[in-house]
Amino acid sequence: QVQLLQSGAEVKKPGASVKVSCKASGYSFTTYYMYWVRQAPGQGLEWMGIINPSSGSTIYAQKFQGRVTMTRDTSTSAVYMELSSLRSEDTAVYYCARGSRTWYFDYWGQGTVVTVSS
Amino acid sequence: QSALTQPASVSGSPGQSITISCTGASSDVGTYNLVSWYQHHPGKAPKLMLYEVSKRPSGVSNRFSGSKSGNTASLTISGLQAEDEADYYCCSYAGNSCLFGTGTKVTVL
Repeated sequence: QVQLLQSGAEVKKPGASVKVSCKASGYSFTTYYMYWVRQAPGQGLEWMGIINPSSGSTIYAQKFQGRVTMTRDTSTSAVYMELSSLRSEDTAVYYCARGSRTWYFDYWGQGTVVTVSS
Repeated sequence: QSALTQPASVSGSPGQSITISCTGASSDVGTYNLVSWYQHHPGKAPKLMLYEVSKRPSGVSNRFSGSKSGNTASLTISGLQAEDEADYYCCSYAGNSCLFGTGTKVTVL
């Protein structure tokens, strides 16, 4: 069965970077896009970007351009999301989600809590 | 780009039908039939309920249906059940980006 297993919770200081991993199993890794979505406390879902695991090409939401980097490792079927210059407003649960070319997300990781605090 | 607009809350009694609206613009909902809906129970991962406006993934109850008119998409839950109580989010393709809705809390009375 399809599974997306994310790395564990992180606590970071303002200005630092965080790298969250998402390991896929149960399907052909390069066949589906991977998306990243976050939810800050008390807020709604927010789309961050997309990576094509086959080519490595990415599209980032304008809000995160210059601060986010999404990469993949096809040898381990994993994708990574690194967010830099962290601020308190980046405190959120970060999800990876498998998606189609028609921009819907059919399987989600369990979420990774990132806390930014001095 | 602003988030799509959803009502903050919708409620209904068991067995009733409710509809959640998702209003965007001509640059997103109005142009693309690429609207999806997600059910989110706090502390759990979101679950895909509908995609491409009205298609249901395998395993999702046919009590969930979707439609679109102009710049507004809608999710209807018929035969409301206690387990349907959750937050619901729409999401629309918006040209190399995805806009989520503001979210709707569904309460089963």
